[in-house]
Amino acid sequence: QQPVQSPQAVILREGEDAVINCSSSKALYSVHWYRQKHGEAPVFLMILLKGGEQKGHEKISASFNEKKQQSSLYLTASQLSYSGTYFCGTGGNYGQNFVFGPGTRLSVLP
Amino acid sequence: NAGVTQTPKFRILKIGQSMTLQCTQDMNHNYMYWYRQDPGMGLKLIYYSVGAGITDKGEVPNGYNVSRSTTEDFPLRLELAAPSQTSVYFCASTSAGTLNEQYFGPGTRLTVT
Repeated sequence: QQPVQSPQAVILREGEDAVINCSSSKALYSVHWYRQKHGEAPVFLMILLKGGEQKGHEKISASFNEKKQQSSLYLTASQLSYSGTYFCGTGGNYGQNFVFGPGTRLSVLP
Repeated sequence: NAGVTQTPKFRILKIGQSMTLQCTQDMNHNYMYWYRQDPGMGLKLIYYSVGAGITDKGEVPNGYNVSRSTTEDFPLRLELAAPSQTSVYFCASTSAGTLNEQYFGPGTRLTVT
């Protein structure tokens, strides 16, 4: 079942902050975050694992609430390069049935 | 390392034709995935593989077939192409299921007319 993301879209000015949320009705073993620019492949940002371990981008932070089956991605002091569509993804504990959310389109304006 | 490579980059098919999209990775990853992405939409899982000889259906497998005879290669076969299969197809691989990042290929843009 596909995770739900909010908001669908957000517009920021350079330097502003944003939060993107991801929630699932199924138990989560991990949450992945990827960013995709127009016409390109998705690029890895971060993984959050059960138990609190995180792997990923140093300048991006995220949280993972296992009980609520939710994750949030925090983008601080946004730069023009942050523009793109952000996807969260979840899957079974052995990588099966990996499912991406519908995406959040982020636009950073000068 | 080349990472994940996909061929072709672009292809136009006529309705009813068949083709194979190639995906190769040189990172010795066990897990490989095929996704499709329709314009303005998210990625949908078509098929995945957890190792050579092992494949399973994802969310949208109808109209597609896969095989995994080696660790490196995971081709996607389209039989009897339909306009609904017009999409961008991404192949991805990872070393440890959901525990590590997925590396994506550059994609194949397919149009069926």
